[in-house]
Amino acid sequence: DAMVIQNPRYQVTQFGKPVTLSCSQTLNHNVMYWYQQKSSQAPKLLFHYYDKDFNNEADTPDNFQSRRPNTSFCFLDIRSPGLGDAAMYLCATSPARDWTYEQYFGPGTRLTVT
Amino acid sequence: GDSVTQMEGPVTLSEEAFLTINCTYTATGYPSLFWYVQYPGEGLQLLLKATKADDKGSNKGFEATYRKETTSFHLEKGSVQVSDSAVYFCALQGSGNDYKLSFGAGTTVTVRA
Repeated sequence: DAMVIQNPRYQVTQFGKPVTLSCSQTLNHNVMYWYQQKSSQAPKLLFHYYDKDFNNEADTPDNFQSRRPNTSFCFLDIRSPGLGDAAMYLCATSPARDWTYEQYFGPGTRLTVT
Repeated sequence: GDSVTQMEGPVTLSEEAFLTINCTYTATGYPSLFWYVQYPGEGLQLLLKATKADDKGSNKGFEATYRKETTSFHLEKGSVQVSDSAVYFCALQGSGNDYKLSFGAGTTVTVRA
């Protein structure tokens, strides 16, 4: 089945140690998003790509970076994780057609910072 | 800017009870509206959507109607099951070339056997 895959599902990192989360999709969607979600709050958009065009949200800390080497893959890099970065990180994709950008989410990566 | 207001939870129901979760929005133009569901420890799943006024989205026994006159998109299910226990998010995509969703705060629903 076509889907959005996130690896790993659970990631533990140390305070200040860089960490990379990965997302891949078999849907061939143009748009890929990264969200941060804490404690069943609404997901908070960090950034998104439309093809290779990167769009950062104004309040996304510089500590968060992203790469999209091709249509299928997108990475979230946290350069120096703090305790406040512990959260669920969700990747989503959208086909960007017909002016309706419904989003398809992956299962998420739960990040713990020790 | 665009925003979504959802009824606050948590909501606790008995099995076979009727569920309503209120959602109202503020947006210019003609947004698209969505309900997403998140089961414990999982990502969000699209439950249903409506892209224009008076559209009714439906899936898995859930329904919601896009009411432009009341700027609402309330979620309903006639008879809930324990497996419907989850967090429900109402979301809006602004009209035009807007790739982003505005989410409501989410409503936690617990269904007891």
